[in-house]
Parts: sequence; C-alpha cells; structure tokens
Amino acid sequence: DGGITQSPKYLFRKEGQNVTLSCEQNLNHDAMYWYRQDPGQGLRLIYYSQIVNDFQKGDIAEGYSVSREKKESFPLTVTSAQKNPTAFYLCASSTITGFGYEQYFGPGTRLTVT
Amino acid sequence: AQSVTQLDSHVSVSEGTPVLLRCNYSSSYSPSLFWYVQHPNKGLQLLLKYTSAATLVKGINGFEAEFKKSETSFHLTKPSAHMSDAAEYFCVVSALTGGGNKLTFGTGTQLKVEL
Repeated sequence: DGGITQSPKYLFRKEGQNVTLSCEQNLNHDAMYWYRQDPGQGLRLIYYSQIVNDFQKGDIAEGYSVSREKKESFPLTVTSAQKNPTAFYLCASSTITGFGYEQYFGPGTRLTVT
Repeated sequence: AQSVTQLDSHVSVSEGTPVLLRCNYSSSYSPSLFWYVQHPNKGLQLLLKYTSAATLVKGINGFEAEFKKSETSFHLTKPSAHMSDAAEYFCVVSALTGGGNKLTFGTGTQLKVEL
C-alpha cells in the first residue's frame, strides 16, 4: 500500500526535551511538508522540502528543525525553544510543487508536552 | 496574498437532508481550490479539487462544489447527509507564488449529522 506513515501516533514529553517526529512516504513524491494543527486554527505550515537536502521555512518555523537526507523521509524535531509545542502534527507530500497539485496527508502525531 | 474564509465554524443537519458548507477565498492569482475532510484524530483526505477546468466539481462520497469567480466562493454541497459525513471540513486555496506552491487552509467547519 502506498501512503504516508507517521510515528508514533501519540507522544508525551517533558518540557525542555527535544523530540523528533517521524514521517515516511512511499509515494515517490518530491515535496514534503510539516503542518501544525491547533483547535479552531486550521493548519499552519512549519517547514517544507522540494528536493533532497533542501528545505524551506514555513509560516511558523521558530522552535522547529527538519532534515531531508532521503526522498522518502522528512523528520521534524520539536526543540525546547518551541514555546507551545502541544499540538497535532501532520506530514504531507505532493508530486510536484507546481500549480494545482493536491497534498496527501499522513495520519498525524499528537504531541503533548507537560 | 491569499486567504480563505469558512463562514461557519459549526453546521448541524439531520440525516438525509442537504449539506451546505460555505467557503470564500481571496487570491492575487488564478487559484486552485480544494476541500479536505478530517475525521477525529486522523489525517486529511481530499474530497475534491478545482483547477480551472469545469466550475462544478464532483468529488468522493457524493460531495460537489461550484467555483464562482464573481462571488469568490467555493461552497461544498451534498444532497443527502449520512451519519458517516460527520467530520471537520477544510477549504484550501493554492496559488503558485515566487516561493512555489503555497496552500492556505481555512479554519475548518465541524459538520454534525443528527438522526
């Protein structure tokens, strides 16, 4: 089955700890994205990557970091600098960053930091 | 700049009655428009998309949407609601900018379907 996997589904961390969220896709998509979802706010773009070894900041990149060493993988690290990390995180991919191409979403990881 | 406004944060319908979820957009470029659905604690699934072809777009599960440029609207409809339609729906606008393809999400409409 082709698709996007995110692990784990639920993640709990103590304040001050870095945490890495996994995202893997086997759709052979060039572009990958990380979004954060908070209640009543829709999705906000954290980082995106159009090709391997290249990535760009989105609208809310502060306190996050990413890497893109392989086409299939785009892990997101939530650092201790992120002021309010508790949220639902969604990874997505698309075939091309051109016009009109939809994004395919993973099942999400719910991160709770206490 | 582009933006999306979903006019209702919550919509409640009875099973078997029509569904209307409203979306208005703003874009400096000719946009593509999408509707996604999200069930609780799940990822987003594409319902349908408009990419400057036919203005009436049919999607999965009996949903359709009509692109109206003069009204800058892209409302989502379904003739008869089913209990399984209860979910959150997002209207999304996409425009090709200098920074590449950028999606802007609405804040979502929670659809409740009652017996």
